[in-house]
Amino acid sequence: NAGVTQTPKFRVLKTGQSMTLLCAQDMNHEYMYWYRQDPGMGLRLIHYSVGEGTTAKGEVPDGYNVSRLKKQNFLLGLESAAPSQTSVYFCATYRVGQPQHFGDGTRLSIL
Amino acid sequence: GNSVTQMEGPVTLSEEAFLTINCTYTATGYPSLFWYVQYPGEGLQLLLKATKADDKGSNKGFEATYRKETTSFHLEKGSVQVSDSAVYFCAPVYGGATNKLIFGTGTLLAVQP
Repeated sequence: NAGVTQTPKFRVLKTGQSMTLLCAQDMNHEYMYWYRQDPGMGLRLIHYSVGEGTTAKGEVPDGYNVSRLKKQNFLLGLESAAPSQTSVYFCATYRVGQPQHFGDGTRLSIL
Repeated sequence: GNSVTQMEGPVTLSEEAFLTINCTYTATGYPSLFWYVQYPGEGLQLLLKATKADDKGSNKGFEATYRKETTSFHLEKGSVQVSDSAVYFCAPVYGGATNKLIFGTGTLLAVQP
């Protein structure tokens, strides 16, 4: 998955702390997505972006904010982390006519 | 709303056994259908796809046929290998140009030598 890079790969936070997950792509794709993956739940869409400067809510947006200031980067922010946000987070990109392309994930634990 | 129902795992098979993982979806419009695979510690990779009724997607010995009449997209492989051990996700695409995927819960496949 060289085209979609997620940082960090692992992180442990305390309840109430804030952090930002970065997704960077070098494929010039217009669309970018943030998902969370939880056991028995599949992947659920948090927020997405259809282009630079635009964002939209997905299925489970509460507690998260996003920004797409540059086309190649999509940031996911947790302002005040909660244990319920312990999950594996995946970023994906999309170009019309092609399937979504995923990063390797960020494993986040909130204590 | 739109949804997808996927066969629960884990599915445990011996090498060279036949594999079927069932997937059904809600019939809102005519979604494109995808199977993704997730190997341990990695992100999701596209395995195969079908974009219209009766299309058959295939890759790496896996196949799935878009069945509009039964709203199904079951994944099959005639002879599994240990290297096929992974989590498999069925995902129809709804939402027009936004390409929003709806994921099933995933099916863990464990192939034993």
